Amino acid sequence: GDSVTQMEGPVTLSEEACLTINCTYTATGYPSLFWYVQYPGEGLQLLLKATKADDKGSNKGFEATYRKETTSFHLEKGSVQVSDSAVYFCALNTGGFKTIFGAGTRLFVKA
Amino acid sequence: ETGVTQTPRHLVMGMTNKKSLKCEQHLGHNAMYWYKQSAKKPLELMFVYSLEERVENNSVPSRFSPECPNSSHLFLHLHTLQPEDSALYLCASSQERGSGYNEQFFGPGTRLTVL
Repeated sequence: GDSVTQMEGPVTLSEEACLTINCTYTATGYPSLFWYVQYPGEGLQLLLKATKADDKGSNKGFEATYRKETTSFHLEKGSVQVSDSAVYFCALNTGGFKTIFGAGTRLFVKA
Repeated sequence: ETGVTQTPRHLVMGMTNKKSLKCEQHLGHNAMYWYKQSAKKPLELMFVYSLEERVENNSVPSRFSPECPNSSHLFLHLHTLQPEDSALYLCASSQERGSGYNEQFFGPGTRLTVL
C-alpha cells in the first residue's frame, strides 16, 4: 500500500542554520505531496504542497520539490529561526479522502 | 470562534467510563475527519464523514463510536477504553469538490489519557 517515510528526529539546529528533512514515498498512482507543520499545542497546518512531478512547493522560506525519479519530497530551508521549532509531517494523497502521513520529524532550533 | 475547535482539550478517564469528544468546524466545509496521533507513529485516520455520511471506517474498534449530526459538528463517543488508546485525537475538516486534493484544516486536538 501507499506509505511515507521521513527521517527520524529530533533534529536540533542553531538559528540561521540550513535545514533538510528527508521524505520518500511509495504510491501506486500519481500522488499529490504535502508538508504539514504542527506547532506546540496546536493541530496540523498545511505548509506547502506539490501536485505533480518537478513541481516546487514553497511557503515561509520552506521549499520542497516533487522528485518522481527518486520518489522524494525533501523539505528545505536556508536559514531557520527559533519560531520554526515544531513537528513536520510529510504526507501524500492519491485522490479521495485518505491522506497518508509520515511519523513526523521534530525540529528544535536554538537561539 | 474560527477554524476547527475541539473540546475538551484534555481528558482523563478510567477504563469503565463513557465520555465524548466534540469537534466543530466554522469553515462551511462538507467533510470531517477523526485522526489518532500517538507518539512516534504516523497519524492514523479513524473516520471520515462526507455530507454527514460515514465514508471511511479504518478498522477502528467498536469502543470508538463517531456521530455526525450535521456538517459542522462531529463527535467521538468513547466507552470501555484501554490504556493503549491514550493519544492525541485530532479532528479535521475539508471542502471536498469531487476531484483532486483539498486542504484539510485541523483542530488543536484532545489529549486523552486512559487510566
